[in-house]
Parts: sequence; structure tokens; C-alpha cells
Amino acid sequence: GENVEQHPSTLSVQEGDSAVIKCTYSDSASNYFPWYKQELGKRPQLIIDIRSNVGEKKDQRIAVTLNKTAKHFSLHITETQPEDSAVYFCAASEDKIIFGKGTRLHILP
Amino acid sequence: DAGVIQSPRHEVTEMGQEVTLRCKPISGHNSLFWYRQTMMRGLELLIYFNNNVPIDDSGMPEDRFSAKMPNASFSTLKIQPSEPRDSAVYFCASSLGDRVYEQYFGPGTRLTVT
Repeated sequence: GENVEQHPSTLSVQEGDSAVIKCTYSDSASNYFPWYKQELGKRPQLIIDIRSNVGEKKDQRIAVTLNKTAKHFSLHITETQPEDSAVYFCAASEDKIIFGKGTRLHILP
Repeated sequence: DAGVIQSPRHEVTEMGQEVTLRCKPISGHNSLFWYRQTMMRGLELLIYFNNNVPIDDSGMPEDRFSAKMPNASFSTLKIQPSEPRDSAVYFCASSLGDRVYEQYFGPGTRLTVT
């Protein structure tokens, strides 16, 4: 069945540096790739998404890239800030939506 | 709009008891999703409704779990009988479309089965 692998499981970066989280998926029919941010004790919230007809999308400090041939997509956060500390989930969707296991991002002062 | 509403926010129950979780989706949304989140297994989709009809329940763990959506503004997830391994945070989410649209999550129900 569909599988989404997410790496790393934990990531610590210095405030102001960039953070990159990578996901791979198995179902080549997947056509929608959202990223959710979940702060401690809170609900997941969509931060950015990309569809299979687009290779890259940017929203201020956040960007997502998609390589359909290799079946992987990545989240890039630039100029990280303390409020970026959270768990980030990728997901891939076509018939089913499957979430990655999450990446716990720590922004170090 | 108040967003997705879930109740109760916390539930502590003893093994063997019936548990009912409730969800009110955002008005106008036609898709509703139930998820379970644990440290070990992450965020798992349990069941997905579109226009009140269950479309995909392949994530429902076993027969002890059942979900209903009697109308567009209400859904329940029931566990009977509950077991300690059911302890998790259960999220309900709704969206305007199907699985390729943004999902809005509720605050979750933290379930503890002792």
C-alpha cells in the first residue's frame, strides 16, 4: 500500500539558519502533497501544499519542492525563528491520504 | 465560524467501557475525517466521509471501532469495548472537497483507557 517516509525524525537548527525536511512516497498516482505544522498540544494546521502539476511553491519563508520522477518532496524553511519550533508532517494523497511520521524541529537560540 | 468542534476534549475511562467521541465539522464542508495520533504510529487516518457517506474505512483498526455521520453537521466515533491500547489523541478534520483539499483539524480528544 501507499507509504510515506519522512526524514529526519528530529532536527535542530540555529535560529536564522535554514531547515529542510524530506519525504518520499510510494504511490505514483499521488497528486496532492500538503505539509502540516503541529505545535505542542495543538492541532495540525496546513502551512503549504503543492499539486503534482507544480514543481515548486513558495510562501514567504516557506517553500516546497516536488520531484515526481523520484517521488520525493521537501519542505524548506529559511531564516528560522523560535516560533518555527513544532512537529511538521508531510502527506501524500490520491485515493488515500497518508501522513509521514513527523519531524520535530527545534530552533536553537 | 467556530471551526471544527470536538467533544469531549478529554476522556478517561476503564477498559471494557464504551467511548463515544463527537465532531461537528465546519459548516459547508462536505468531507469529514477521523484520525488517531500516537507517539508510536503517528497520525493515522481511520475513516473518511464525503457527503455523509463513508468512502474509506480501511484505517479502522477492528470491529470495536465504528463511525457514523447521520447528517452534514455531526459525526461520532465509537469504541466498544475500549482497551488500553486505544489510548491516543483522536482528531476530527473537515474539508471543502475530498482528499486533495486543505483539511481543518479540530482540537482533538485525548482518550485514556485504564
